[in-house]
Amino acid sequence: AQKITQTQPGMFVQEKEAVTLDCTYDTSDQSYGLFWYKQPSSGEMIFLIYQGSYDEQNATEGRYSLNFQKARKSANLVISASQLGDSAMYFCAMRERMTTDSWGKLQFGAGTQVVVTP
Amino acid sequence: NAGVTQTPKFQVLKTGQSMTLQCAQDMNHEYMSWYRQDPGMGLRLIHYSVGAGITDQGEVPNGYNVSRSTTEDFPLRLLSAAPSQTSVYFCASSTPSQGAYEQYFGPGTRLTVT
Repeated sequence: AQKITQTQPGMFVQEKEAVTLDCTYDTSDQSYGLFWYKQPSSGEMIFLIYQGSYDEQNATEGRYSLNFQKARKSANLVISASQLGDSAMYFCAMRERMTTDSWGKLQFGAGTQVVVTP
Repeated sequence: NAGVTQTPKFQVLKTGQSMTLQCAQDMNHEYMSWYRQDPGMGLRLIHYSVGAGITDQGEVPNGYNVSRSTTEDFPLRLLSAAPSQTSVYFCASSTPSQGAYEQYFGPGTRLTVT
């Protein structure tokens, strides 16, 4: 069963505007981690932001913030003040905690293609 | 510190040929993984390893073998290439810890099987 769902295959956003990328996840575990990665056209995978399931505050990293709604099982990425360099594919991912000392596999959504226009 | 390196960057194979995709990391990470990326499907886990001598199957293991004889290296072997294995392959490494620990990805290998 699909554990990570990204319902927006593609989005256009104007430069300097904010954009929200949706991500919902499915888990019965209480302890898990949520990640967002960026993949520009050059192909490399770039880590953006992390949210732990027990973190009470939403994670932020510069222009990236993660809108974490645990009850809804949603972990949306917000990019503020979009730049042309933000044009890329964005992936949401989740890792479940298996034991105190070990984490499960990182599972990815299908991705959302973002195009920033001048 | 080179991070995660993958070779080759591009490869074309004929159906039935075998080959090994190389992956190495110099960060002393315990976890290493192989993913394939196909259009519209995100990244899917092929095999992973939690340490030297330990490997396990991921979501799409058929047609691939791995071994982990050292902490640094995690090669992926295609036993008999098929056109369905045309994809971009990423190797990644990470280390388990409290809080955030992202996976570090290699630059990818673009494989075409004709």
